[in-house]
Amino acid sequence: GQNIDQPTEMTATEGAIVQINCTYQTSGFNGLFWYQQHAGEAPTFLSYNVLDGLEEKGRFSSFLSRSKGYSYLLLKELQMKDSASYLCAHMDSNYQLIWGAGTKLIIKP
Amino acid sequence: GAVVSQHPSWVICKSGTSVKIECRSLDFQATTMFWYRQFPKQSLMLMATSNEGSKATYEQGVEKDKFLINHASLTLSTLTVTSAHPEDSSFYICSVPRAGGAEIYNSPLHFGNGTRLTVT
Repeated sequence: GQNIDQPTEMTATEGAIVQINCTYQTSGFNGLFWYQQHAGEAPTFLSYNVLDGLEEKGRFSSFLSRSKGYSYLLLKELQMKDSASYLCAHMDSNYQLIWGAGTKLIIKP
Repeated sequence: GAVVSQHPSWVICKSGTSVKIECRSLDFQATTMFWYRQFPKQSLMLMATSNEGSKATYEQGVEKDKFLINHASLTLSTLTVTSAHPEDSSFYICSVPRAGGAEIYNSPLHFGNGTRLTVT
């Protein structure tokens, strides 16, 4: 079957670093996406990994290990505006996007 | 700036009425658009794939006669919730893949701002 798991909620301090993990099981794989979603708003695209390794984009980085079915989103120099839900989604062999339930990140001063 | 415009942002309607939601791709001709629904604290659920000039493809469990999709042009798709009931109250979001051809399926999605539907 197909499944995707990420923690429900995490808390971090402003200025710190936080890593949000995502694990998945799938019969096929066509990429792993990370999206940010503020409460009451639509998701916005953060990153896309299809090969193993780390992709860095400013304060945000995303890592993928296909053999382990594992990805993480790394957020550095946390700001209060980073408080949001972070959605992990993988694309299976049928090109269906399978979404995680999201990780609610709470940033404290 | 926004590349996908969704309207309205929120709507309150009475049970039994119909509601139309529009999704416009502002700077990209989209042969395909996706419609999602999201209940509170749950993940995005794909409802249907809207195809320009042809019938939409609905996911299992989604009633095609209740959720009418029209993709009449390369920049506009509409979702009409017919005979809405309180259980249809949800956050409806459209998205546009930023590529064409077969690559639409593994290109980043750009989302509209969503429509919060409340049926009383």
